[in-house]
Amino acid sequence: EAGVAQSPRYKIIEKRQSVAFWCNPISGHATLYWYQQILGQGPKLLIQFQNNGVVDDSQLPKDRFSAERLKGVDSTLKIQPAKLEDSAVYLCASSLGLSNEQFFGPGTRLTVL
Amino acid sequence: GDSVTQMEGPVTLSEEAFLTINCTYTATGYPSLFWYVQYPGEGLQLLLKATKADDKGSNKGFEATYRKETTSFHLEKGSVQVSDSAVYFCALLGMDTGRRALTFGSGTRLQVQP
Repeated sequence: EAGVAQSPRYKIIEKRQSVAFWCNPISGHATLYWYQQILGQGPKLLIQFQNNGVVDDSQLPKDRFSAERLKGVDSTLKIQPAKLEDSAVYLCASSLGLSNEQFFGPGTRLTVL
Repeated sequence: GDSVTQMEGPVTLSEEAFLTINCTYTATGYPSLFWYVQYPGEGLQLLLKATKADDKGSNKGFEATYRKETTSFHLEKGSVQVSDSAVYFCALLGMDTGRRALTFGSGTRLQVQP
């Protein structure tokens, strides 16, 4: 079974630029999560989808971050404009449902200069 | 809100030493508890879990027991190997049925020396 795929694996941008990350969850998984992991900290939830609907985006900085889940499968997370403090690893995870085990992708490491 | 506190690292041990990584939590009700491991260059992997009080999760020689009275879920292994070197995260899944996302601790880096 293929795991959660993410791209790119690494991205370096300058502040005020835009960036987008892509996630392809495990086939058949209805729930998709985006987490932000700042160096030295544990992952923190940004947004959670159930199929193509948002379940929780209370911790998403909506003035600069946006996310969508096209047709309830792939998802993209965008930052516009980026700030220095956005430097982090962005993890995508998926699960069969809201109460099932979450499987994580390898993450995208973003560096904002 | 929910929170997880785990001991700071790095923890440096010699091969075959006994490992304990402490984890305590704050949550309402009866959350599910997890240990995740992140090997260098890889994504987070579920190591073990426990879903109710007094449950013991175990995998690959690691164990952790859900202690409701002390709100703890300490990770233990009797004899560590160099290949166990990684970052370990304690996490909980709260009771809020509308928000089923994990709350993580800050992680503990384990370094095992030959």
